[in-house]
Amino acid sequence: GENVEQHPSTLSVQEGDSAVIKCTYSDSASNYFPWYKQELGKRPQLIIDIRSNVGEKKDQRIAVTLNKTAKHFSLHITETQPEDSAVYFCAAKGTGFQKLVFGTGTRLLVSP
Amino acid sequence: DVKVTQSSRYLVKRTGEKVFLECVQDMDHENMFWYRQDPGLGLRLIYFSYDVKMKEKGDIPEGYSVSREKKERFSLILESASTNQTSMYLCASSGGQGNSPLHFGNGTRLTVT
Repeated sequence: GENVEQHPSTLSVQEGDSAVIKCTYSDSASNYFPWYKQELGKRPQLIIDIRSNVGEKKDQRIAVTLNKTAKHFSLHITETQPEDSAVYFCAAKGTGFQKLVFGTGTRLLVSP
Repeated sequence: DVKVTQSSRYLVKRTGEKVFLECVQDMDHENMFWYRQDPGLGLRLIYFSYDVKMKEKGDIPEGYSVSREKKERFSLILESASTNQTSMYLCASSGGQGNSPLHFGNGTRLTVT
């Protein structure tokens, strides 16, 4: 089945810096790659997603890139702010119906 | 706004007890899921359901069962709780058959002693 690896497990940046989180997946048939943000004590929430027919997608300060050949995708956050501090999960949809496989998460800490 | 409600925020049970975790969604979503969240392991799928009375095993179904008698309600059952089932349990729902986003509940932190 699908396997998703996520790096780094923790990431500390200064406010205003950029942050990049990387994920790789194993199933070449995967076609949907969402990113979820989980603030401390709260539920995970979708922040951006990308489909396999698109190489890059942007939404204000966040962007996701996808390299299907290498089977990896990344989340980019520019001009980081303290409220970006959270755990971020990547995910990939492998074979089967609506079965998302999540990465292990990245704890991002943005220091003022 | 989609609301996914889990019946308990915190739960403490003893080893061997039968435990029920309840989840209700109010958006008429076809698909419902139970995930387990552990530090360093991310979110792991236990069971999911894409229709009433239908259920499918996820990646870690051992020791769990589920029930979906009504479209809005999806229950996770621990037949005989064990200490290694101490974890945060997250319920989620999504609509349609395409790549719809998951809407999560607030989670139930279960401690088995």
